[in-house]
Amino acid sequence: GAVVSQHPSWVICKSGTSVKIECRSLDFQATTMFWYRQFPKQSLMLMATSNEGSKATYEQGVEKDKFLINHASLTLSTLTVTSAHPEDSSFYICSARPQPHNEQFFGPGTRLTVL
Amino acid sequence: KNEVEQSPQNLTAQEGEFITINCSYSVGISALHWLQQHPGGGIVSLFMLSSGKKKHGRLIATINIQEKHSSLHITASHPRDSAVYICAVRSGNQFYFGTGTSLTVIP
Repeated sequence: GAVVSQHPSWVICKSGTSVKIECRSLDFQATTMFWYRQFPKQSLMLMATSNEGSKATYEQGVEKDKFLINHASLTLSTLTVTSAHPEDSSFYICSARPQPHNEQFFGPGTRLTVL
Repeated sequence: KNEVEQSPQNLTAQEGEFITINCSYSVGISALHWLQQHPGGGIVSLFMLSSGKKKHGRLIATINIQEKHSSLHITASHPRDSAVYICAVRSGNQFYFGTGTSLTVIP
């Protein structure tokens, strides 16, 4: 099946720093990628939808200036958490969808801990 | 009220048992996904359904569009099936997720 990778798999950073998370589709082209956040013992929450070559669409309540999403190519999307704070500590998961299919393929997730 | 409800929330089974996890939703959907999340957090998409039934190995997923209900069945369960199973539905441009069913299969 299709493979989606994320890098890094975990990261610890100091409060105030910025962290970039990469999401790559390894064997298919993804015109659409999704970014989710998951807090402990909770379900996934969609943060934003990114389409290659255009601006991301953010869900209500998600600050676009804090969570910068770039989808510059058909195989790579990045999420940058700017000026991270401890409350941003979470598990961030991306998924990718190859057109014209509806199925999504999920990355393994990135665990962010902000000290 | 959540758009997607799963039951049970937690499930413990003996190895070899037949397992059923249920998902009910309240919105019109174009597709329903069953996801498996392992303790490390990684997510695997098990099925995407828009009608009928799909089978992959020991896993079977069914959906009844009229009743807005889907079930995930695991036959001959095994300890490696222990994970959180999440039901998600796509409605227009929105994705709604259930809170998951935590399954533990005991040897």
